[in-house]
Amino acid sequence: DIQMTQSPSSLSASVGDRVTITCRASQGIDNSLAWFQQKPGRAPKSLIYAASSLQSGVPSKFSGSRSGTEFTLTISSLQPEDFATYYCLQYLTYPFTFGPGTTVDFK
Amino acid sequence: EVQLVESGGTLVQPGGSLRLSCAASGITFSDQHMDWVRQDPGKGLEWVARIRNRARSHTTEYAASVKGRFTVSRDDSQNSLYLQMNSLRTEDTAVYFCVSSRVGSVFDHWGQGTLVTVSS
Repeated sequence: DIQMTQSPSSLSASVGDRVTITCRASQGIDNSLAWFQQKPGRAPKSLIYAASSLQSGVPSKFSGSRSGTEFTLTISSLQPEDFATYYCLQYLTYPFTFGPGTTVDFK
Repeated sequence: EVQLVESGGTLVQPGGSLRLSCAASGITFSDQHMDWVRQDPGKGLEWVARIRNRARSHTTEYAASVKGRFTVSRDDSQNSLYLQMNSLRTEDTAVYFCVSSRVGSVFDHWGQGTLVTVSS
């Protein structure tokens, strides 16, 4: 199975900060990487697929990039509604595997 | 508006069976690949099963942890997805989400989840 790691596991930030979360795959997954946002008690929400394609309706402050097997989610200017847990997912091969999550909380 | 509404979650004893359902609206259901994803309360996400769309002949995939015990199925005429869960174990306790994926994307829309608790 492909293992996904995320760093950091948590971070504290302020409104207006630029935030970067990294996800690393244990082997090559091409661009088959997605990002999700989850708030407490809610279902995850899709943000990005194919490493850098924004889902419909997702604001452009979210962006994704890839360098080899390392993927990055960037929030350009953190807003109060962005405090949440973020997960990556590889979907190149079965079983699909999620990263352990990165919690973004208020500094 | 896309809606995925799961039902069927409840408390069940180890070794028991349960069938989850998911009713879809706002999407062309037959074109979607459909998945079940679960989440142990307070923990991370685990993919459980996929059933591909009609064009891909409704073929299925399973996580190793559920293969042989769970069966995913769909009824495109009813816009419904199902998960038959047999030989349930305490480690199957989780919120189960129904998730849709259009071709070329992944996990576009999620239901609100249904809680399955396996305990004696």
